Amino acid sequence: GESVGLHLPTLSVQEGDNSIINCAYSNSASDYFIWYKQESGKGPQFIIDIRSNMDKRQGQRVTVLLNKTVKHLSLQIAATQPGDSAVYFCAENMQGAQKLVFGQGTRLTINP
Amino acid sequence: DAGVIQSPRHEVTEMGQEVTLRCKPISGHNSLFWYRQTMMRGLELLIYFNNNVPIDDSGMPEDRFSAKMPNASFSTLKIQPSEPRDSAVYFCASSLVSGTGQYFGPGTRLTVL
Repeated sequence: GESVGLHLPTLSVQEGDNSIINCAYSNSASDYFIWYKQESGKGPQFIIDIRSNMDKRQGQRVTVLLNKTVKHLSLQIAATQPGDSAVYFCAENMQGAQKLVFGQGTRLTINP
Repeated sequence: DAGVIQSPRHEVTEMGQEVTLRCKPISGHNSLFWYRQTMMRGLELLIYFNNNVPIDDSGMPEDRFSAKMPNASFSTLKIQPSEPRDSAVYFCASSLVSGTGQYFGPGTRLTVL
């Protein structure tokens, strides 16, 4: 029979546009969050992190926003490029815990 | 700087055979994690170590799976005997302190026929 895999949410954007990838996290006690990028055939790559005492952090072309009230995390990518095509995962760590909990991921596709 | 190193990158074996996956974490990192990734289940944490000591192996599927970390620069994940449903990509990751950013290796793609 046909196998059924995870149906990843997909976001398609035009090259050069800005992308926003969203993540709802589960635990209000989580105090550390990370965004990872996974390209086909590669391992997840650390992009940017943020602690719960902040609501915004910027990197190179990327910004992470944290809204603790609604337990929401977003990753903004400015001026998307073909190389940004990948699956993006958010991960959370609960205060005092020693392991990350990963979301299921969002597939970002860049249209030329 | 060398990142997390995994070997082999690809492994094809037959059901019933023993499989050993290897990982060298980033030098100076104290925590090491083994994950499995499949289309069906996504990214799953199998086991992790702090300072070479196994802390949580609740994600290990069965007794057929075992992991060791004899020293700070080497870990193995062993499957004996292997089964077709073990086919997946296995990732090793390390972090300076557990609970902080983990850095992943390139993975080992395992196919069990």
